[in-house]
Amino acid sequence: DGGITQSPKYLFRKEGQNVTLSCEQNLNHDAMYWYRQDPGQGLRLIYYSQIVNDFQKGDIAEGYSVSREKKESFPLTVTSAQKNPTAFYLCASSIRTGGHSPLHFGNGTRLTVT
Amino acid sequence: DQQVKQNSPSLSVQEGRISILNCDYTNSMFDYFLWYKKYPAEGPTFLISISSIKDKNEDGRFTVFLNKSAKHLSLHIVPSQPGDSAVYFCAASTNTDKLIFGTGTRLQVFP
Repeated sequence: DGGITQSPKYLFRKEGQNVTLSCEQNLNHDAMYWYRQDPGQGLRLIYYSQIVNDFQKGDIAEGYSVSREKKESFPLTVTSAQKNPTAFYLCASSIRTGGHSPLHFGNGTRLTVT
Repeated sequence: DQQVKQNSPSLSVQEGRISILNCDYTNSMFDYFLWYKKYPAEGPTFLISISSIKDKNEDGRFTVFLNKSAKHLSLHIVPSQPGDSAVYFCAASTNTDKLIFGTGTRLQVFP
């Protein structure tokens, strides 16, 4: 079955620690994305990558970092610089950016930082 | 600047009735529009889309209408079912750029 796998589903960290969220896809999609969902704020784009070894900042990139060393993997690191890291994080992929290419989403990781 | 707006955060509809979810956009360059459905603690799933060359697209109980002059689209669900209770996001894009999402509308269908 093709799809997007995010792990873990729930993650707990102490304030001041960096944490990395995993995202893997076997859809052979070129583009991958990280979104954050907060109550009443919809889906906000953190970073996206159109091809391997390339990525761009989204609307709320501060305090986050990504890498795209392999086509199927797009991990997100939430650094200690992110002021409000507790949120639901969603990874997505598409055949390419734009061009009427719907996004396929993973089931998300809920990160809680205390 | 919110380019895609869903002004109703929530909607409550009786089972069997029509649900109408609305979405407005500001960027006249958008030429592709989508609706996603999201259950709690899950990722959004693609529901239906429409190209700007059309004004209506239908898929079973779901119909999306596009009014380009008003920069408005709507999703109609007929008849509404309890399993339709979810958060619905509209999204828009141009041919070359990434999707822009609205803030979502929570639909509750009650018996």
